Amino acid sequence: EVQLVESGGGLVQPGGSLRLSCAASGFTVSSNYMSWVRQAPGKGLEWVSVIYSGGSTYYADSVKGRFTISRHNSKNTLYLQMNSLRAEDTAVYYCAREPLGGYYYMDVWGKGTTVTVSS
Amino acid sequence: SYELTQPLSVSVALGQTARITCGGNNIGSKNVHWYQQKPGQAPVLVIYRDSNRPSGIPERFSGSNSGNTATLTISRAQAGDEADYYCQVWDSSCHWVFGGGTKLTVL
Repeated sequence: EVQLVESGGGLVQPGGSLRLSCAASGFTVSSNYMSWVRQAPGKGLEWVSVIYSGGSTYYADSVKGRFTISRHNSKNTLYLQMNSLRAEDTAVYYCAREPLGGYYYMDVWGKGTTVTVSS
Repeated sequence: SYELTQPLSVSVALGQTARITCGGNNIGSKNVHWYQQKPGQAPVLVIYRDSNRPSGIPERFSGSNSGNTATLTISRAQAGDEADYYCQVWDSSCHWVFGGGTKLTVL
C-alpha cells in the first residue's frame, strides 16, 4: 500500500527551527516529484516546496531562503528543514506525491503534522 | 503570478447536481485538478487533468475545463459529499497554485 506518514511537528518559538519528516512506503520517493503543502488554521491549501526526481528543488516565495527540502533515498524519507520560523508559518504541513508522468498534481497525501509558531 | 478564483460556498439539495467553478486567465489551456477535503482530514484527489477520475472516485464526480473557467460537477449529491473542494493548476511562474477553496453544503 502506498502511504506517507509525516512527523516532526510541534510548538516552536518565533525565530526557531524545526525539521519535518515524511516516511514513504509502497513506492520510492526518489522516483517521484515530492511536495510539501501547508494549511494555516481555517485557511486554504498553500504549496510550499517540491523536490524533483532529478534533485531540483523549488520553493514558494513565502518560504524561500528559510526552508529547505531534501530526501534520504535509503530511508525513503522526505524532509523539510524550517528555519527562522514566523507566526504565519503556523499550519498543518502535508507531504504529497506526484504520480509519474509530470502532470503536476498530487495523488497521495499524508495525514499531516501540525506546526505552531508562538512564544 | 497566476490566480485561481473559487466561490466561497455552494449549496445543493440532496440528490441534485452541484457545480463548483474555478476561474483563471485562460485556464482552459492548463490541466486542472480537484481535491476534496473533509474536516480534520487530508485532501483527496477527485479529478485530475480536467476530467479524469482516480480509481475509487464515484462516477458522480466529473470535470470540465474551457476558456477562463473549470468546473467540478457532482451529480446526485449525497450528504457524504459535504467538504471543501480545491482546484489546482501548475504555472511556470509560481509552480503549484491552489484556488481558495469552496465549501459544499448538501441541504
